[in-house]
Formats: sequence, C-alpha cells, structure tokens
Amino acid sequence: DTGVSQDPRHKITKRGQNVTFRCDPISEHNRLYWYRQTLGQGPEFLTYFQNEAQLEKSRLLSDRFSAERPKGSFSTLEIQRTEQGDSAMYLCASSIIGGETQYFGPGTRLLVL
Amino acid sequence: SQQGEEDPQALSIQEGENATMNCSYKTSINNLQWYRQNSGRGLVHLILIRSNEREKHSGRLRVTLDTSKKSSSLLITASRAADTASYFCATALNQAGTALIFGKGTTLSVSS
Repeated sequence: DTGVSQDPRHKITKRGQNVTFRCDPISEHNRLYWYRQTLGQGPEFLTYFQNEAQLEKSRLLSDRFSAERPKGSFSTLEIQRTEQGDSAMYLCASSIIGGETQYFGPGTRLLVL
Repeated sequence: SQQGEEDPQALSIQEGENATMNCSYKTSINNLQWYRQNSGRGLVHLILIRSNEREKHSGRLRVTLDTSKKSSSLLITASRAADTASYFCATALNQAGTALIFGKGTTLSVSS
C-alpha cells in the first residue's frame, strides 16, 4: 500500500509529557499537511510543508507544537508539555504541488491524561 | 474557525434510499470538496467541484454548487450500509489549495 501512513496510531500520555508523531506521505508528493480533529468537529489546519520548507502555520499551532520535514520526505509533529486539551486525532495529508486533492493518512489518536 | 457548515448534523436512512446533505460556506472559494470519514479513520476524498461548475457526478454521488448562495449539496443515491460515515465539505481559500477549511460534518447512518 503506497498511501499516507502515520505512526503511532494511538498514543496515551500523561499531562506534561512530550510526544512525537510521524507521517510518511505518498512518495512523489511534495506537499505535506498536518490537521487536528477533535470529537464531533471537522479537521482544522495546523501547518503545511512544501518539500522541506514549512510555508504556512495556523494560529492553532502554539509554541508547544513543532513540525519538521528535514529531508522533504517524512514529517514529525512534536507536542511539548502536553495538556488535556491536546487530546485529539492528528491527521496528516499529502499532495503534489498544484494538486487540489489532499490524501489523508489514518491519523494518530492522542489521549492526554 | 470553520468555513463550511453541513446540514443536517445527523441523518438516518434505510438502504436503498437517497441521502442529501448540504454545506454552506462564508467566503469566495476556488473549489469545494467532499470527504468521507469512517469512524475513527482518516478522510477519503470523494469529489471536487470548481467554482465555475454547477454540477458534477461520480458513480452514485452527485454534487451541486451554487456560488450565489454559497452552498453545495451532496446526494448519495441508492445508499448502502457501507455508506455509513461522516461526510465533510472542505473549501480551499486560495488557488494553491494549501489549507483546507472543513465544516463540522454530517453523520450518515444507513441501516439494512
């Protein structure tokens, strides 16, 4: 399967701990996006990369959040000093430059206790 | 904030019936897309309609777009139990389509 993959699929952590999620996009896709989805809501845009450059960040991406895409392939999203409000599904998507369709991974569900 | 708002929030129908869900949005758009999400899973792209199009079909799906009313509808004909999912409309605010803005979704339940 050559779709978008995310790891881990589930993460339970205690408040104050740091967590890191990984996303592997479809191999020829230059753009990679991160979204957050809370229960009963639609996904909310966090940030996106074009190759290794982070080109746009939402106001939702607080200082405790950092995303990287060091070699323009996989990406990591780190949340430092997690809070209970960070509990959500974190979705990754990818697309080609100029492509209007974004292809989503299965998501990482985070629960902060 | 959410750009699109789907209506109804929840819809329950029998297999074989048609399901119609609506989406309203606030600002000018380049295109509007519909995605499906099965419980606890990622989103699957269903169909895209551009701002200069009024109607589009894909299999059992029919999408309409009325830019004057800033609204779109998704019709699923001859529904199946496997269509049970949440459906979201998403708009791209710029031509690059980088940030998709999603509505809150319509939860469709199809019973056999």
